[in-house]
Amino acid sequence: DVKVTQSSRYLVKRTGEKVFLECVQDMDHENMFWYRQDPGLGLRLIYFSYDVKMKEKGDIPEGYSVSREKKERFSLILESASTNQTSMYLCATLGSSYEQYFGPGTRLTVT
Amino acid sequence: GENVEQHPSTLSVQEGDSAVIKCTYSDSASNYFPWYKQELGKGPQLIIDIRSNVGEKKDQRIAVTLNKTAKHFSLHITETQPEDSAVYFCAWGDSGYALNFGKGTSLLVTP
Repeated sequence: DVKVTQSSRYLVKRTGEKVFLECVQDMDHENMFWYRQDPGLGLRLIYFSYDVKMKEKGDIPEGYSVSREKKERFSLILESASTNQTSMYLCATLGSSYEQYFGPGTRLTVT
Repeated sequence: GENVEQHPSTLSVQEGDSAVIKCTYSDSASNYFPWYKQELGKGPQLIIDIRSNVGEKKDQRIAVTLNKTAKHFSLHITETQPEDSAVYFCAWGDSGYALNFGKGTSLLVTP
Protein backbone atom coordinates (compact mmCIF):
# COMPACT_ATOMS: atom_id res chain seq x y z
CA ASP A 1 0.00 0.00 0.00
CA VAL A 2 1.11 3.51 -0.79
CA LYS A 3 1.78 5.53 2.29
CA VAL A 4 1.82 9.33 2.35
CA THR A 5 2.47 10.87 5.73
CA GLN A 6 2.32 14.46 6.85
CA SER A 7 4.30 15.73 9.80
CA SER A 8 1.43 17.23 11.76
CA ARG A 9 -2.33 16.68 11.87
CA TYR A 10 -2.99 20.00 13.61
CA LEU A 11 -0.85 23.12 13.78
CA VAL A 12 -1.43 26.53 15.32
CA LYS A 13 0.86 29.39 14.36
CA ARG A 14 0.96 33.13 14.81
CA THR A 15 0.79 35.72 12.05
CA GLY A 16 4.23 36.38 10.60
CA GLU A 17 5.76 33.06 11.64
CA LYS A 18 7.59 30.87 9.15
CA VAL A 19 5.79 27.54 8.83
CA PHE A 20 7.05 24.24 7.44
CA LEU A 21 4.68 21.46 6.43
CA GLU A 22 6.39 18.17 5.66
CA CYS A 23 5.22 15.33 3.47
CA VAL A 24 6.91 11.96 3.07
CA GLN A 25 6.03 9.10 0.71
CA ASP A 26 7.36 5.57 0.58
CA MET A 27 6.57 4.53 -2.99
CA ASP A 28 9.38 6.19 -4.93
CA HIS A 29 6.86 8.32 -6.84
CA GLU A 30 8.36 11.14 -8.86
CA ASN A 31 5.44 13.56 -8.78
CA MET A 32 4.26 15.15 -5.57
CA PHE A 33 1.66 17.85 -4.93
CA TRP A 34 0.48 20.31 -2.31
CA TYR A 35 -3.19 21.34 -2.20
CA ARG A 36 -5.20 23.41 0.16
CA GLN A 37 -8.79 22.55 0.94
CA ASP A 38 -11.36 25.12 2.00
CA PRO A 39 -15.11 24.70 2.53
CA GLY A 40 -17.04 25.38 -0.64
CA LEU A 41 -13.87 25.72 -2.72
CA GLY A 42 -12.75 22.12 -3.00
CA LEU A 43 -9.05 21.36 -3.46
CA ARG A 44 -6.79 23.93 -5.05
CA LEU A 45 -3.25 23.24 -6.22
CA ILE A 46 -0.49 25.29 -4.62
CA TYR A 47 2.69 23.71 -6.04
CA PHE A 48 3.84 20.45 -7.51
CA SER A 49 7.17 18.77 -8.10
CA TYR A 50 8.03 16.25 -10.82
CA ASP A 51 11.53 15.44 -9.65
CA VAL A 52 14.09 16.27 -7.00
CA LYS A 53 14.79 20.01 -6.95
CA MET A 54 12.14 20.59 -9.65
CA LYS A 55 8.96 22.50 -8.90
CA GLU A 56 6.08 24.14 -10.70
CA LYS A 57 3.55 26.68 -9.52
CA GLY A 58 -0.04 25.61 -9.26
CA ASP A 59 -3.14 27.76 -9.23
CA ILE A 60 -2.54 29.58 -5.93
CA PRO A 61 1.24 29.78 -5.22
CA GLU A 62 1.26 33.27 -3.71
CA GLY A 63 2.56 33.29 -0.16
CA TYR A 64 4.01 29.78 -0.43
CA SER A 65 7.24 28.13 -1.49
CA VAL A 66 8.31 24.49 -1.66
CA SER A 67 11.41 22.37 -1.30
CA ARG A 68 12.21 18.93 -2.75
CA GLU A 69 15.74 17.95 -1.74
CA LYS A 70 15.01 14.21 -1.64
CA LYS A 71 12.62 12.19 -3.73
CA GLU A 72 10.55 10.99 -0.81
CA ARG A 73 10.09 14.38 0.86
CA PHE A 74 8.20 17.45 -0.32
CA SER A 75 7.94 20.46 1.97
CA LEU A 76 5.55 23.38 1.85
CA ILE A 77 6.80 26.63 3.35
CA LEU A 78 4.79 29.63 4.44
CA GLU A 79 7.41 32.38 4.62
CA SER A 80 5.26 34.68 6.74
CA ALA A 81 2.00 33.10 7.80
CA SER A 82 -1.18 35.12 7.48
CA THR A 83 -4.69 34.47 8.74
CA ASN A 84 -5.98 33.81 5.22
CA GLN A 85 -3.68 30.81 5.09
CA THR A 86 -5.71 29.06 7.75
CA SER A 87 -6.78 25.93 5.93
CA MET A 88 -6.45 22.18 5.50
CA TYR A 89 -3.28 21.29 3.59
CA LEU A 90 -3.12 18.04 1.67
CA CYS A 91 -0.06 16.39 0.15
CA ALA A 92 -0.40 13.86 -2.67
CA THR A 93 1.75 11.68 -4.90
CA LEU A 94 1.13 10.40 -8.41
CA GLY A 95 1.04 6.67 -9.06
CA SER A 96 2.00 4.85 -12.24
CA SER A 97 -1.59 4.86 -13.55
CA TYR A 98 -2.01 8.60 -12.85
CA GLU A 99 -3.98 8.03 -9.68
CA GLN A 100 -3.21 10.42 -6.83
CA TYR A 101 -2.61 9.23 -3.29
CA PHE A 102 -3.30 11.68 -0.51
CA GLY A 103 -1.92 12.07 2.97
CA PRO A 104 -4.22 12.62 5.98
CA GLY A 105 -3.86 16.40 5.84
CA THR A 106 -2.59 19.11 8.17
CA ARG A 107 -5.14 21.51 9.59
CA LEU A 108 -3.31 24.80 10.03
CA THR A 109 -4.70 27.67 12.05
CA VAL A 110 -2.97 31.06 11.89
CA THR A 111 -3.94 33.45 14.66
CA GLY B 1 -7.12 25.69 -13.53
CA GLU B 2 -10.21 24.71 -15.43
CA ASN B 3 -13.56 24.69 -13.71
CA VAL B 4 -15.45 21.56 -12.82
CA GLU B 5 -19.02 22.05 -11.77
CA GLN B 6 -20.20 19.46 -9.32
CA HIS B 7 -23.83 18.91 -8.31
CA PRO B 8 -25.45 18.63 -5.91
CA SER B 9 -23.41 20.17 -3.12
CA THR B 10 -25.35 18.15 -0.52
CA LEU B 11 -27.31 14.95 -0.92
CA SER B 12 -29.33 13.02 1.62
CA VAL B 13 -30.66 9.55 0.82
CA GLN B 14 -32.14 6.70 2.76
CA GLU B 15 -30.19 3.54 3.23
CA GLY B 16 -30.69 1.26 0.25
CA ASP B 17 -31.49 4.06 -2.19
CA SER B 18 -29.20 5.15 -5.01
CA ALA B 19 -27.13 8.33 -5.09
CA VAL B 20 -25.96 10.16 -8.20
CA ILE B 21 -23.43 12.98 -8.36
CA LYS B 22 -22.67 14.78 -11.59
CA CYS B 23 -19.73 16.84 -12.76
CA THR B 24 -19.38 19.03 -15.84
CA TYR B 25 -15.99 20.08 -17.16
CA SER B 26 -14.85 22.49 -19.82
CA ASP B 27 -11.51 21.35 -21.26
CA SER B 28 -11.92 18.82 -24.05
CA ALA B 29 -8.26 17.78 -23.68
CA SER B 30 -9.03 16.01 -20.42
CA ASN B 31 -8.84 12.22 -20.54
CA TYR B 32 -8.76 11.05 -16.94
CA PHE B 33 -11.73 11.36 -14.55
CA PRO B 34 -11.34 10.07 -11.00
CA TRP B 35 -13.70 10.19 -8.04
CA TYR B 36 -12.50 10.59 -4.48
CA LYS B 37 -14.19 9.91 -1.17
CA GLN B 38 -13.16 11.89 1.89
CA GLU B 39 -14.23 10.77 5.32
CA LEU B 40 -14.07 13.08 8.29
CA GLY B 41 -10.52 13.75 9.41
CA LYS B 42 -8.93 11.88 6.51
CA GLY B 43 -7.42 12.70 3.16
CA PRO B 44 -9.33 11.97 -0.07
CA GLN B 45 -9.21 8.37 -1.22
CA LEU B 46 -9.61 7.25 -4.82
CA ILE B 47 -12.72 5.08 -5.21
CA ILE B 48 -13.08 4.76 -8.98
CA ASP B 49 -11.72 6.37 -12.11
CA ILE B 50 -12.44 6.32 -15.82
CA ARG B 51 -10.44 7.22 -18.87
CA SER B 52 -11.76 8.85 -21.99
CA ASN B 53 -11.66 5.72 -24.12
CA VAL B 54 -14.56 4.11 -22.22
CA GLY B 55 -18.06 5.27 -21.41
CA GLU B 56 -18.75 3.37 -18.19
CA LYS B 57 -16.92 1.55 -15.45
CA LYS B 58 -18.34 -0.40 -12.55
CA ASP B 59 -16.91 -1.69 -9.29
CA GLN B 60 -19.47 -3.48 -7.11
CA ARG B 61 -21.93 -0.81 -5.92
CA ILE B 62 -20.08 2.07 -7.53
CA ALA B 63 -20.15 3.08 -11.18
CA VAL B 64 -18.94 6.02 -13.20
CA THR B 65 -20.30 7.11 -16.58
CA LEU B 66 -18.64 9.50 -18.99
CA ASN B 67 -20.20 11.52 -21.78
CA LYS B 68 -17.32 13.20 -23.61
CA THR B 69 -19.57 14.92 -26.11
CA ALA B 70 -21.56 16.65 -23.39
CA LYS B 71 -18.45 16.96 -21.17
CA HIS B 72 -19.95 15.47 -18.07
CA PHE B 73 -19.36 12.42 -15.92
CA SER B 74 -21.32 10.98 -13.05
CA LEU B 75 -20.82 8.82 -9.98
CA HIS B 76 -23.53 6.30 -9.19
CA ILE B 77 -23.74 4.55 -5.84
CA THR B 78 -26.38 1.83 -5.53
CA GLU B 79 -27.76 0.21 -2.37
CA THR B 80 -26.28 2.96 -0.24
CA GLN B 81 -25.12 2.21 3.29
CA PRO B 82 -24.44 4.54 6.24
CA GLU B 83 -20.70 4.07 5.75
CA ASP B 84 -21.05 5.67 2.32
CA SER B 85 -21.64 8.98 4.12
CA ALA B 86 -18.71 11.24 3.23
CA VAL B 87 -17.70 14.08 0.94
CA TYR B 88 -17.19 13.03 -2.67
CA PHE B 89 -15.01 14.94 -5.11
CA CYS B 90 -14.87 14.60 -8.85
CA ALA B 91 -11.67 15.52 -10.65
CA TRP B 92 -10.31 15.64 -14.12
CA GLY B 93 -6.91 15.85 -15.75
CA ASP B 94 -4.90 14.94 -18.80
CA SER B 95 -3.16 11.80 -17.61
CA GLY B 96 -0.59 12.98 -15.24
CA TYR B 97 0.44 15.88 -13.12
CA ALA B 98 -2.11 17.85 -11.23
CA LEU B 99 -5.83 17.32 -11.17
CA ASN B 100 -8.59 19.87 -11.09
CA PHE B 101 -11.23 19.16 -8.47
CA GLY B 102 -14.91 19.85 -8.09
CA LYS B 103 -16.11 21.57 -4.95
CA GLY B 104 -17.41 18.41 -3.37
CA THR B 105 -20.73 16.76 -2.54
CA SER B 106 -21.59 15.96 1.04
CA LEU B 107 -23.52 12.68 1.00
CA LEU B 108 -25.54 11.60 4.02
CA VAL B 109 -27.06 8.14 4.12
CA THR B 110 -29.66 7.80 6.82
CA PRO B 111 -30.62 4.40 8.26
